[in-house]
Amino acid sequence: NAGVTQTPKFRVLKTGQSMTLLCAQDMNHEYMYWYRQDPGMGLRLIHYSVGEGTTAKGEVPDGYNVSRLKKQNFLLGLESAAPSQTSVYFCASTLSSSNQPQHFGDGTRLSIL
Amino acid sequence: AQSVTQLDSQVPVFEEAPVELRCNYSSSVSVYLFWYVQYPNQGLQLLLKYLSGSTLVKGINGFEAEFNKSQTSFHLRKPSVHISDTAEYFCAVIPSGSARQLTFGSGTQLTVLP
Repeated sequence: NAGVTQTPKFRVLKTGQSMTLLCAQDMNHEYMYWYRQDPGMGLRLIHYSVGEGTTAKGEVPDGYNVSRLKKQNFLLGLESAAPSQTSVYFCASTLSSSNQPQHFGDGTRLSIL
Repeated sequence: AQSVTQLDSQVPVFEEAPVELRCNYSSSVSVYLFWYVQYPNQGLQLLLKYLSGSTLVKGINGFEAEFNKSQTSFHLRKPSVHISDTAEYFCAVIPSGSARQLTFGSGTQLTVLP
């Protein structure tokens, strides 16, 4: 049982380039999330999805887009990468109840030059 | 909206000593509380959670936490730490009626010294 899998694990981009981060979960979870982690700031929610075909903005959505075409996948896109988006990105998933913990992937380290 | 404050960004402690990592939260609604641990170059793993009932909750790896509603705190403790406990620890809260917004604290780096 793989849990939550993120690809790629590392990526270096130049300013203005675009890319997509993929998150896949095999636990049949309804809710999926994208966070960014920066030193001293904990994890901040970028976007989330409460089910296939739905997405919503989190705390820091600017510069990112997401899609949830299949229940098991949640994609995070950067249309025009900026140095401020250098971060570690984590995907998480959970059942639909708030008393259930979120399950996290191992993260994607993204550097924008 | 909720907020979480972890009062110590860095906690160094010697092996086999006790440790307490502090967490305070603010919320206008009832919440569930979680502690997560992050080992280097890994994602977050659940240590323990408080939903209701007994205010003392036990988690994995010998950790426990106590929920104090009047002080809005959820401090994490371990009576005797090991080198392998070196990691970053995050406190998080979520409204009890919604799975949509888990709010994290800024994290506490626990370093266990030999």
